[in-house]
Amino acid sequence: EIVLTQSPGTLSLSPGERATLSCRASQSVSSSYLAWYQQKPGQAPRLLIYGASSRATGIPDRFSGSGSGTDFTLTISRLEPEDFAVYYCQQYGSSPVTFGQGTKLEIK
Amino acid sequence: EVQLVESGGGLVQPGGSLRLSCSASGFTFSSYAMHWVRQAPGKGLEYVSAISSNGGSTYYADSVKGRFTISRDNSKNTLYLQMSSLRAEDTAVYYCVKGPRQWLSMNWFDPWGQGTLVTVSS
Repeated sequence: EIVLTQSPGTLSLSPGERATLSCRASQSVSSSYLAWYQQKPGQAPRLLIYGASSRATGIPDRFSGSGSGTDFTLTISRLEPEDFAVYYCQQYGSSPVTFGQGTKLEIK
Repeated sequence: EVQLVESGGGLVQPGGSLRLSCSASGFTFSSYAMHWVRQAPGKGLEYVSAISSNGGSTYYADSVKGRFTISRDNSKNTLYLQMSSLRAEDTAVYYCVKGPRQWLSMNWFDPWGQGTLVTVSS
């Protein structure tokens, strides 16, 4: 199975700053079938990005995804207070579907 | 608006059984594969099981194979997860999620239900 490793484990930033989250796969993710989710405490995850770079419906354009092969990035251009949460990547190009362990984005 | 509402969670003893349900609305349920994803307390996300739109194909994670059974009733817009021989490590919030396709593969997940907590403990 494809193992996804997210880094850093915790990212401490201030509102208005730029956030860059990494997701590295143990083998190539076919057709860039990679998604990103945001999860706030006590809530279900919410889809942000699919196909490595396509924003889901209703997601602000400050969220962007990039990458291919084994290296993927989620970028939040200017952090808003509501963006502080845990972020997960998911690959769905190979069975089984796998998730990264998560990156916690916290307020500095 | 697409809605997924899980029910059926609770406290069960090790070795016991539980059936989770997920009631779907706001979309043509019979046209989409459906999935279960779980999250142990304070942990990450684990893909558990999936079923194709017509119920003809299913998937199970190795950790639940032989113990869990996924099914669906397209006439009732409802997804099920029958869980048996439950273990402490099955303790988690179980989320019902919708994929964008009829089949099991190449699915991202959107939306997610609110989740139902299953606690396996004596």
